[in-house]
Amino acid sequence: AQSVSQHNHHVILSEAASLELGCNYSYGGTVNLFWYVQYPGQHLQLLLKYFSGDPLVKGIKGFEAEFIKSKFSFNLRKPSVQWSDTAEYFCAVNARGNTPLVFGKGTRLSVIA
Amino acid sequence: KAGVTQTPRYLIKTRGQQVTLSCSPISGHRSVSWYQQTPGQGLQFLFEYFSETQRNKGNFPGRFSGRQFSNSRSEMNVSTLELGDSALYLCASSLSQGMNTGELFFGEGSRLTVL
Repeated sequence: AQSVSQHNHHVILSEAASLELGCNYSYGGTVNLFWYVQYPGQHLQLLLKYFSGDPLVKGIKGFEAEFIKSKFSFNLRKPSVQWSDTAEYFCAVNARGNTPLVFGKGTRLSVIA
Repeated sequence: KAGVTQTPRYLIKTRGQQVTLSCSPISGHRSVSWYQQTPGQGLQFLFEYFSETQRNKGNFPGRFSGRQFSNSRSEMNVSTLELGDSALYLCASSLSQGMNTGELFFGEGSRLTVL
């Protein structure tokens, strides 16, 4: 069965700091990879996704993620965070074919002024 | 375009009772998935329905069940509630059979508290 690990439970950054959130998955086959974000009081929404091609994918609001197949990783990055990036971030994976989307337990990001 | 609508938003039940949660997907979306979200476990997959058929099921006891209607609306039911069922239940819809696209559109959830 697939599993997703997000290494950081809670990250606190100052505005303008750089962000990297780790995500590793366990599955040997071909996968689709996603980052979802949940802003306070809002529903989960897709931040970015990777299906194939360029392993560096760009999403909304300046976020990007890099798929490193050899490391089974899909880390999320942003060069300079803003207070409005305060949210919970979820990495998710599903194996190709009709399989459920498996989520990591989430990383809470708090950005302070 | 209206988003995914879940009702009720909040509810309180006591142990042993049963509960039914409702989800209306985005218009045109045929796939509906349900997840349980708790602080300790994150999001755990319950089941997915497509064209009124359950396509995938997560590792939850038989007390958790669901169905989908011909208009793609879905309901999930939890019988004989336990304290551990307290959670945010999220519904997500997608255009096709959801898991292949991975782009799920989530509702705001139904927060269930079991006393």
